[in-house]
Amino acid sequence: GDSVTQMEGPVTLSEEAFLTINCTYTATGYPSLFWYVQYPGEGLQLLLKATKADDKGSNKGFEATYRKETTSFHLEKGSVQVSDSAVYFCALSFLPGSSNTGKLIFGQGTTLQVKP
Amino acid sequence: EPEVTQTPSHQVTQMGQEVILRCVPISNHLYFYWYRQILGQKVEFLVSFYNNEISEKSEIFDDQFSVERPDGSNFTLKIRSTKLEDSAMYFCASSEVGARDEQFFGPGTRLTVL
Repeated sequence: GDSVTQMEGPVTLSEEAFLTINCTYTATGYPSLFWYVQYPGEGLQLLLKATKADDKGSNKGFEATYRKETTSFHLEKGSVQVSDSAVYFCALSFLPGSSNTGKLIFGQGTTLQVKP
Repeated sequence: EPEVTQTPSHQVTQMGQEVILRCVPISNHLYFYWYRQILGQKVEFLVSFYNNEISEKSEIFDDQFSVERPDGSNFTLKIRSTKLEDSAMYFCASSEVGARDEQFFGPGTRLTVL
């Protein structure tokens, strides 16, 4: 079945370090790919998305490129801040159609801790 | 900025009891979802709901679960007879009909079954 696998956490970095969180997927068909972020005490928020191969999603300095050949959607940021400390979820969904509700299939989440 | 809200934030119940988790979706959204996350595991899809009926449900969503939109603002998840393994964080989400791949999530309700 369709699934998403993320790197194990927690990931601990110093401020201004480079961040990579790996995400790979297995899917029948061509999914859309997402990164969601969950800050402490809050709900999941959409961080970025990409809907087709080679698309790059970006937001708040984070980027991820849809790589169909490696079935990956790794999250990167050039210089992390303490405020980026959160749990990051990779997810996939199939574009809504007449028979598709757009349900999200999530990875297990990766906790990022950024130290000053 | 509009947001999805959920109540309560934490619910403790005894095994076999019924619980109702409540959600208020964003007002102009018409697609609603429930997901859950057992501690240390993935966030899992439970059910989607549109036009007053279930549009899709997962294998987890068995006869013990039901959803309802009792009025114009609330969306509820009922578990009829809770089991220990129902202990999890339950997330509600909503989306516009034309943008079902952009779902807005609530902060979650932590359900603890003793």
